[in-house]
Amino acid sequence: TQLLEQSPQFLSIQEGENLTVYCNSSSVFSSLQWYRQEPGEGPVLLVTVVTGGEVKKLKRLTFQFGDARKDSSLHITAAQPGDTGLYLCAGALGNQFYFGTGTSLTVIP
Amino acid sequence: NAGVTQTPKFQVLKTGQSMTLQCAQDMNHEYMSWYRQDPGMGLRLIHYSVGAGITDQGEVPNGYNVSRSTTEDFPLRLLSAAPSQTSVYFCASSRGLNTEAFFGQGTRLTVV
Repeated sequence: TQLLEQSPQFLSIQEGENLTVYCNSSSVFSSLQWYRQEPGEGPVLLVTVVTGGEVKKLKRLTFQFGDARKDSSLHITAAQPGDTGLYLCAGALGNQFYFGTGTSLTVIP
Repeated sequence: NAGVTQTPKFQVLKTGQSMTLQCAQDMNHEYMSWYRQDPGMGLRLIHYSVGAGITDQGEVPNGYNVSRSTTEDFPLRLLSAAPSQTSVYFCASSRGLNTEAFFGQGTRLTVV
């Protein structure tokens, strides 16, 4: 069992649809980050959320940090083919930086 | 601006062979780490370092060794490769734990 569980594991949607990806843990994090990874590349940071209840928007992407700082969500509005990729949440606990299990998103034109 | 450089990009090993995966960063970051990525499991932390001369184990350290003699370099050693170590390996660096992590392009390792 991994510290950060993401759901769903796979998501295939049509262009223009909305979607939400969840990142859950039983541990409290001081901050959570979301990364996107494309095939053959390393993950790239999208956003960092720090305060419980915080909401951050990045164009069509909305990130929320749970009030108890144990969970986070990523909502994409009107998905586009360019959003296709692996989405990973990540957080620090002690001196270690943990990644979630990942959500593989495919947006079909 | 090189960022994080990993070599090699691909490697095939026979069971029992040893090898070193190289990682170098030019951003003067204190925190460096090694992850392995397997299908359905995201990235799992192997070893990490909070500064030169300091290393510690992550979630899945067995079968791997690391050292950090300089701020720039953080090599990962496989002493006796096993098929279970077939994976994609990523090195990352950051200023600190809660700051942006920068990743190398990965090493795809196959152990036969």
